[in-house]
Order: sequence, then C-alpha cells, then structure tokens
Amino acid sequence: GDSVTQMEGPVTLSEEAFLTINCTYTATGYPSLFWYVQYPGEGLQLLLKATKADDKGSNKGFEATYRKETTSFHLEKGSVQVSDSAVYFCALTFSGYSTLTFGKGTMLLVSP
Amino acid sequence: DGGITQSPKYLFRKEGQNVTLSCEQNLNHDAMYWYRQDPGQGLRLIYYSQIVNDFQKGDIAEGYSVSREKKESFPLTVTSAQKNPTAFYLCASSGTGGNSPLHFGNGTRLTVT
Repeated sequence: GDSVTQMEGPVTLSEEAFLTINCTYTATGYPSLFWYVQYPGEGLQLLLKATKADDKGSNKGFEATYRKETTSFHLEKGSVQVSDSAVYFCALTFSGYSTLTFGKGTMLLVSP
Repeated sequence: DGGITQSPKYLFRKEGQNVTLSCEQNLNHDAMYWYRQDPGQGLRLIYYSQIVNDFQKGDIAEGYSVSREKKESFPLTVTSAQKNPTAFYLCASSGTGGNSPLHFGNGTRLTVT
C-alpha cells in the first residue's frame, strides 16, 4: 500500500539556520502531497501542498517541491525561528482526505 | 470564529468503561473524521463521515463507534473492546471540492488506567 517516510527527529537547530526535513513516498501513480504542522498541544494545520509533479508549495517561508523522479517532497526553510518549533507531518492522498496517509512526523526544535 | 471544538482536552477513565469524545464544528463542512495519534506513529484514521447519518470505518475502527445525527457533530465512543485506548484523539472536517483543506480540532488526550 501507499506509505510516507520522513526523517527521524528531533531535528535541533539554532535560530536562523537552514532547515530541511526529508519526505519520500511509495505509491502507484502520482498522489497529492501535503505538509502539516502541529504546534504543542494543538491539532494539525495545513502548511503547504502540491498536487502534481514539479509543483512547488510554499507558505510562511517554507517550501517543498514535488519531485516524481525521486518520489520526494522535502520541506525547506531558509531561516528558522524559535516559533517554528513543532512536529511536521508529510502526507499523501489520491482521492480525498478519507485516504490521507501520514508519515510518522518529525519534531523540530529551534533554540535562540 | 469558525472552527472545530473538541472536549474535554484531557479525559481519564478506568479500564472497562466506555467513554465518548465530543467533536463539534461550525464550518458547515459535510465531511468529518476521527484520527488517533500515538507517539512516533503519525495519525491513523478511525472513522469518517461524508454526510449526515452515514459513516465508514477507517484503518483502525475496531473498538470504536461513532454517530452522525447532525452535520455539526461527530462524537466518538471508545468502547471497552478497544485494547489500547490511551492516545491523543484528533477530530477533523473538510468541505467538498478538491481544494478544501482539512481542518483539525485541538485534540483530546485520553488516559485509561
């Protein structure tokens, strides 16, 4: 079946460092891809998405590009802030949220 | 403000008791979902409902039950048949249309001892 693999955390960075969180997927075909963010004690929020190959999703300084050749959707940010500390989830679906498959999440800790 | 309200935030129960988690939305969304989140496991779908009075099992429905009598409400009952009920439970909703995002509540942390 479909699956999403994320790098294990926690990822620990100093403020203003460059961030990459790797996400690769296994699926037959070309799903829609998502990054969600979960701040402590809260539910998930959609951060960005891409629905077809070579699309770039971006939001709040975060970016991810849908690479079908490498079946990847890595999350990047040029300069992280302490407020970016959260758990980040990569996810995919072919046909709506009832079939959304999540990765296990990657915790990001940013220190001042 | 529109959103999803889950209550309570923390819930404690004794083993063998059924417990119902509340989820209410005022976003006028047709579809609602229940997920379970365990440390290091990501999210797993328990049940979902795309319309009032109809719902489908997700990947881990055993030991859970739901109802959808009103568009705004989708309560989840964790029954005594659920072998490992201690977890963080998240409710979500979405509208129709391919670009409608998934909105999440802030979750209920259930501890069963």
